[in-house]
Amino acid sequence: KQEVTQIPAALSVPEGENLVLNCSFTDSAIYNLQWFRQDPGKGLTSLLLIQSSQREQTSGRLNASLDKSSGRSTLYIAASQPGDSATYLCAVRGDLLTGGGNKLTFGTGTQLKVEL
Amino acid sequence: KAGVTQTPRYLIKTRGQQVTLSCSPISGHRSVSWYQQTPGQGLQFLFEYFSETQRNKGNFPGRFSGRQFSNSRSEMNVSTLELGDSALYLCASTNEANTGELFFGEGSRLTVL
Repeated sequence: KQEVTQIPAALSVPEGENLVLNCSFTDSAIYNLQWFRQDPGKGLTSLLLIQSSQREQTSGRLNASLDKSSGRSTLYIAASQPGDSATYLCAVRGDLLTGGGNKLTFGTGTQLKVEL
Repeated sequence: KAGVTQTPRYLIKTRGQQVTLSCSPISGHRSVSWYQQTPGQGLQFLFEYFSETQRNKGNFPGRFSGRQFSNSRSEMNVSTLELGDSALYLCASTNEANTGELFFGEGSRLTVL
């Protein structure tokens, strides 16, 4: 059974700081990994998708890496801003051959606060 | 391009009642999946539908059911509501012919009294 862990559970940083969020998963047979952002009471916004054959993806100030063999992914946020304050979730999708379908297994998230 | 639309956004029910939630996926997406989010359990997979067929099911009791229509719109139903069913129910759609990226709606917030 796939298990996804995110560390730290909460993080508070001053504006402008670069930061790294961590995600680990127990079963390396994944199809892809997706990072999401969730604002309080809202749905999930997709940030980055990394296919199992890829090592990293970048979008603006965000960079996500994937090391499938070690079961790890990191989300790097450069020059953090107060608007980045939210909960960040990583989710893995199982390998299609093992019947993963479109089922995502989520971590418990990292609650980020960027202070002025 | 419209995103994933979920209705209703908020609803309050009492124990024993039933509820139906609706999800309209992004145009062209044929896969719809449902998740339950609670403070204690986080995000948990309920089920997935593709071309009107349930393709995957999570570990939820039979009170939780769903269906998908020919236009890919999906509904989920919870019967005999319990207090523990209070949660944010999220729907996601994906275009498997593309990257397989999942896109989520804003969710339906269910409160059971």
